[in-house]
Amino acid sequence: EAQVTQNPRYLITVTGKKLTVTCSQNMNHEYMSWYRQDPGLGLRQIYYSMNVEVTDKGDVPEGYKVSRKEKRNFPLILESPSPNQTSLYFCASSPKRLGKYNEQFFGPGTRLTVL
Amino acid sequence: KNEVEQSPQNLTAQEGEFITINCSYSVGISALHWLQQHPGGGIVSLFMLSSGKKKHGRLIATINIQEKHSSLHITASHPRDSAVYICAVATFNTDKLIFGTGTRLQVFP
Repeated sequence: EAQVTQNPRYLITVTGKKLTVTCSQNMNHEYMSWYRQDPGLGLRQIYYSMNVEVTDKGDVPEGYKVSRKEKRNFPLILESPSPNQTSLYFCASSPKRLGKYNEQFFGPGTRLTVL
Repeated sequence: KNEVEQSPQNLTAQEGEFITINCSYSVGISALHWLQQHPGGGIVSLFMLSSGKKKHGRLIATINIQEKHSSLHITASHPRDSAVYICAVATFNTDKLIFGTGTRLQVFP
């Protein structure tokens, strides 16, 4: 089944404890992206990647890191999480870059709470 | 001012009603997406369009590039249509998506 998977789905952690949220897609998509969703603010893009070893900042990259060593995986790393990073996170993938009219496929979301 | 504005923010309807959700944007775009987010949180892509009109079942999406406006219509609405509908634009010559804050729709039997 074609899908985008994220792990973990739920995470409660404490300030400063490094964490990684994994994202994997099995559709051989070139484009992958991370978003966060907050009440009243909607979805905002954190980082995106157009292919292996090619990543770029979205609108809210501060406090996050990403890597794209393999086409299928795009982990989101929080080196030193803070409470303002408490949010619902979505990973998404698309066959090609967004400007070429490609549909996005979303993962199920990861609800992160930083105490 | 947000670059992508949706209206209304909240919408309630009786089953069977015709529903319209609007999206206006202020940036140059290469495509506009309509997304649906169910109460469980999952997001699915409904439409992606850069001109004209698309139809899928009871859902119709239109876009007017000159007026920088798109509408999502739901005909013969049903309680299972209850969800948050999100408009997003892919900005011209970039690979970023800018999202509206969503329209929460509730359809009552």
